Amino acid sequence: GENVEQHPSTLSVQEGDSAVIKCTYSDSASNYFPWYKQELGKRPQLIIDIRSNVGEKKDQRIAVTLNKTAKHFSLHITETQPEDSAVYFCAATGGSQGNLIFGKGTKLSVKP
Amino acid sequence: DTAVSQTPKYLVTQMGNDKSIKCEQNLGHDTMYWYKQDSKKFLKIMFSYNNKELIINETVPNRFSPKSPDKAHLNLHINSLELGDSAVYFCASSQGSVVGEQFFGPGTRLTVL
Repeated sequence: GENVEQHPSTLSVQEGDSAVIKCTYSDSASNYFPWYKQELGKRPQLIIDIRSNVGEKKDQRIAVTLNKTAKHFSLHITETQPEDSAVYFCAATGGSQGNLIFGKGTKLSVKP
Repeated sequence: DTAVSQTPKYLVTQMGNDKSIKCEQNLGHDTMYWYKQDSKKFLKIMFSYNNKELIINETVPNRFSPKSPDKAHLNLHINSLELGDSAVYFCASSQGSVVGEQFFGPGTRLTVL
């Protein structure tokens, strides 16, 4: 079945720097790749997603890139701010019914 | 106005008890899910329902039984609770049968003593 690996597990950056989180997936049939942000004690919320017919997508300071050949996708956050501090999850469609398989999360800390 | 709501927010109970968690969505979505998030923050799908029909059941002990009385509600009943069931349980919903954005509820923190 689908396996989603996410790296790094923790990431600490200075305010204003960029942050990059990478994920790999195993199922070549995967076609949807969302990124969720979960603040402490809160629910996961979608911040950006990409489908397999697109290589890159941007939304203000956030971008996602997808390399279908290499089966990896990445989240890029530019000009980080303290409020970007959270756990970020990547996911990919997989499993017997095309459900979402989540990576293990990256705890991002942005130091002022 | 709340899109996906869950009750209760916290649940503390003894081993061996039976408990239920309720979930409701007012987004008009067709598909609802239950996820378990353990102490290491791993998010794993447990069940998925589409229009009240079970479509995903991912290796979950049969002590866990979902029930969907209508497409806006998906409840989770857990029998004979065990210590390892302690976790945060999230309900979520999405539109249609094509996988897309999932909207999560606030979570229910279950603690089994």
